[in-house]
Amino acid sequence: NAGVMQNPRHLVRRRGQEARLRCSPMKGHSHVYWYRQLPEEGLKFMVYLQKENIIDESGMPKERFSAEFPKEGPSILRIQQVVRGDSAAYFCASSPFTWGRYNEQFFGPGTRLTVL
Amino acid sequence: AQTVTQSQPEMSVQEAETVTLSCTYDTSESDYYLFWYKQPPSRQMILVIRQEAYKQQNATENRFSVNFQKAAKSFSLKISDSQLGDAAMYFCAYRSAMNYGGSQGNLIFGKGTKLSVKP
Repeated sequence: NAGVMQNPRHLVRRRGQEARLRCSPMKGHSHVYWYRQLPEEGLKFMVYLQKENIIDESGMPKERFSAEFPKEGPSILRIQQVVRGDSAAYFCASSPFTWGRYNEQFFGPGTRLTVL
Repeated sequence: AQTVTQSQPEMSVQEAETVTLSCTYDTSESDYYLFWYKQPPSRQMILVIRQEAYKQQNATENRFSVNFQKAAKSFSLKISDSQLGDAAMYFCAYRSAMNYGGSQGNLIFGKGTKLSVKP
């Protein structure tokens, strides 16, 4: 069973461009979480999605950031009109879900976004 | 809102010795999970150990053990017989155990402690 996959691993964008980060959860996992890690910081929660639904986006910046997890295909984190402050490592984690039981989040290797 | 605090930005330990990393947290919930994650230079997040708040017994995983003090809201990690491969950033994290309409809750991380291991 392959782990959580993220691509690209490294992404360089110029200010004003769009960045698209992809996350393929582990097989059988229907829940995806996105986290951002700024330099010298811990991971900060951004958004939690289930298939075709955004469950919690309380950590997402109000502008330029969006996320989706379609019925088919990977989850996408999209950043429009990137700025230097968006430079960070973006991690995706996936989990299965069963009521009443602990469900571990499994992390992908992250995408390092550099904005020039 | 819950918060996690790691007061040691950097720690150093001699190979084969024991080191303890500190973590405190703040919450009004009674049911939650606490974690220690390791992040080596590869940046991959690796789960080291997990503690369930309702369990009084401290979790142990081989050379890694925790000292969970629920009343004090303290959750320290002890690494015994330190190895060169233990050098990494270590993050303490909190997660609610409540289910809200299917939500399992996101992880809340501290800022991390950078552990160096001296040969």
